[in-house]
Amino acid sequence: NAGVTQTPKFQVLKTGQSMTLQCAQDMNHEYMSWYRQDPGMGLRLIHYSVGAGITDQGEVPNGYNVSRSTTEDFPLRLLSAAPSQTSVYFCASRPPGTGAYEQYFGPGTRLTVT
Amino acid sequence: AQTVTQSQPEMSVQEAETVTLSCTYDTSENNYYLFWYKQPPSRQMILVIRQEAYKQQNATENRFSVNFQKAAKSFSLKISDSQLGDTAMYFCAFMKHATGTASKLTFGTGTRLQVTL
Repeated sequence: NAGVTQTPKFQVLKTGQSMTLQCAQDMNHEYMSWYRQDPGMGLRLIHYSVGAGITDQGEVPNGYNVSRSTTEDFPLRLLSAAPSQTSVYFCASRPPGTGAYEQYFGPGTRLTVT
Repeated sequence: AQTVTQSQPEMSVQEAETVTLSCTYDTSENNYYLFWYKQPPSRQMILVIRQEAYKQQNATENRFSVNFQKAAKSFSLKISDSQLGDTAMYFCAFMKHATGTASKLTFGTGTRLQVTL
């Protein structure tokens, strides 16, 4: 199993450009999430999904869109990048259910918006 | 809403010594889970240990153990026999026990641990 994969690892965008951060998992996990990590602020939830076709907003959703057409993939779209979106982005997945299941994180994407 | 507080931005410990990282949280929930994640310089998030709030017994994983005080809403991590490979950022995280919906993680701001020779 590859686990959770993210592409690209690094990206530089100009203000106003759009792009999609890719996330895929091969563990058949229904739950997937996107977090951003900023210095001194820990990780904050952007969007999450409990299964194909179902998504919802997290703590900091503004400026980001998501969709979930398959169990495996959960892309994050930036429609018009802003410098405030400079961050490290992590995708995570976990099995469904209410137990203390581990969230499996991808390696992260470092995004810089100039 | 839940909040997680890590009041120690940085800590240092000598190799083979013991160090304790602090975490407090605020919630009105009775059923929840607590986690410690490690983030080494590689940036990968790695689960260190987890605790179910309904369990009174403190979780242990090899050299890692927690002191879970539910009434005080405290969840500290003890690392025994510290090793150079323990150098990393450590995040405390809270997850509500939620039936039928994704259980989301709320993270603290992290403690940067440096293990020295």
